[in-house]
Amino acid sequence: AQRVTQPEKLLSVFKGAPVELKCNYSYSGSPELFWYVQYSRQRLQLLLRHISRESIKGFTADLNKGETSFHLKKPFAQEEDSAMYYCALWSSGGSEKLVFGKGMKLTVNP
Amino acid sequence: GAGVSQTPSNKVTEKGKYVELRCDPISGHTALYWYRQSLGQGPEFLIYFQGTGAADDSGLPNDRFFAVRPEGSVSTLKIQRTERGDSAVYLCASSPSGGQTQYFGPGTRLLVL
Repeated sequence: AQRVTQPEKLLSVFKGAPVELKCNYSYSGSPELFWYVQYSRQRLQLLLRHISRESIKGFTADLNKGETSFHLKKPFAQEEDSAMYYCALWSSGGSEKLVFGKGMKLTVNP
Repeated sequence: GAGVSQTPSNKVTEKGKYVELRCDPISGHTALYWYRQSLGQGPEFLIYFQGTGAADDSGLPNDRFFAVRPEGSVSTLKIQRTERGDSAVYLCASSPSGGQTQYFGPGTRLLVL
């Protein structure tokens, strides 16, 4: 069965500190993974997807198939990064849908 | 351009009542998804439309839930005989042709008393 696990619900850091938001997945096929972000009072939006291999707002995420992980990282957190972050897996083959983790709240303190 | 819109933004109803939640996707997007997000959880898939037809309704929790998209644009999620456990934020998303890149609406917050 497809599953996305975000083991930590909350992370609080100071501005300029590195952050790593953990995501592990379970999927039998070739996974396609995403990070979505929801800033306060805004709608859920795509932050990045693994196949793009891009850096968005200083965030990067590398797919590690051996560890079935897709952790989100940023070397120097900013206050505007404070938000809810959701890791998601694209499930295809019969039932095409995004499967989300429970989310993690990141707070970056000044 | 205009993003995905959802109405109402908030809905309070009594147990046993019927509710309709509306989603206006981005113009030209053929794929439309409904998700439900309960408190402290991530969005959970309910149903996926490609055009007018429901391509996958495997996420609907029971037969009290139904959704339509008669003209391939606006969609309505209908919940009959609401229960307190139906209280959640209902999210709609659209995609140009179906797939991973989905654009989300602001959600409808449903509270069943």
